[in-house]
Amino acid sequence: KQEVTQIPAALSVPEGENLVLNCSFTDSAIYNLQWFRQDPGKGLTSLLLIQSSQREQTSGRLNASLDKSSGRSTLYIAASQPGDSATYLCAVLYNQGGKLIFGQGTELSVKP
Amino acid sequence: DAGITQSPRHKVTETGTPVTLRCHQTENHRYMYWYRQDPGHGLRLIHYSYGVKDTDKGEVSDGYSVSRSKTEDFLLTLESATSSQTSVYFCAISESASGGLAQYFGPGTRLLVL
Repeated sequence: KQEVTQIPAALSVPEGENLVLNCSFTDSAIYNLQWFRQDPGKGLTSLLLIQSSQREQTSGRLNASLDKSSGRSTLYIAASQPGDSATYLCAVLYNQGGKLIFGQGTELSVKP
Repeated sequence: DAGITQSPRHKVTETGTPVTLRCHQTENHRYMYWYRQDPGHGLRLIHYSYGVKDTDKGEVSDGYSVSRSKTEDFLLTLESATSSQTSVYFCAISESASGGLAQYFGPGTRLLVL
């Protein structure tokens, strides 16, 4: 069964700290992997998309890496800010049907 | 932000009544999806569409039907709403179903079935 797991489920850090969120997937035959942010009561905002042939993508203070062979991706957030507080979701596209499989998310709280 | 709207944004209904949720896009993307989000289950795919009149089932399609008569609109119908269908429903769009492009999500519809 194709599954996506995110650890930890929740994380609290002081402002300014660099942090890493983890995502693992059971089947390495992915098309791409997408990281999203979700604020309470809101929809999902796409942060980064990594193609299966890529190793990493960067956007501002965010850097996502992909290691297909080990079935892992990480989202690195530099110099965290209270505005980064949200739930971060990892999702994997396994086939051309376009069906994303989501992890359960990591709830991040950045304290001032 | 991708041009995706969902209506209604909130709805309360009674068990046994039919309910239709609408997703509208202005991006002219080919692929559209309906997901539901529930505590403890995360986001799960209900149905998706790969073109006008072309739809297929996701992993939790029982009790739901969809229709797509125009590129811009994707309707989700709960044929006879049950309390287990209380959830937040998200529509998503993508220009490509393959690895090339990302999926973008709408703001969601909160449905409460009493």
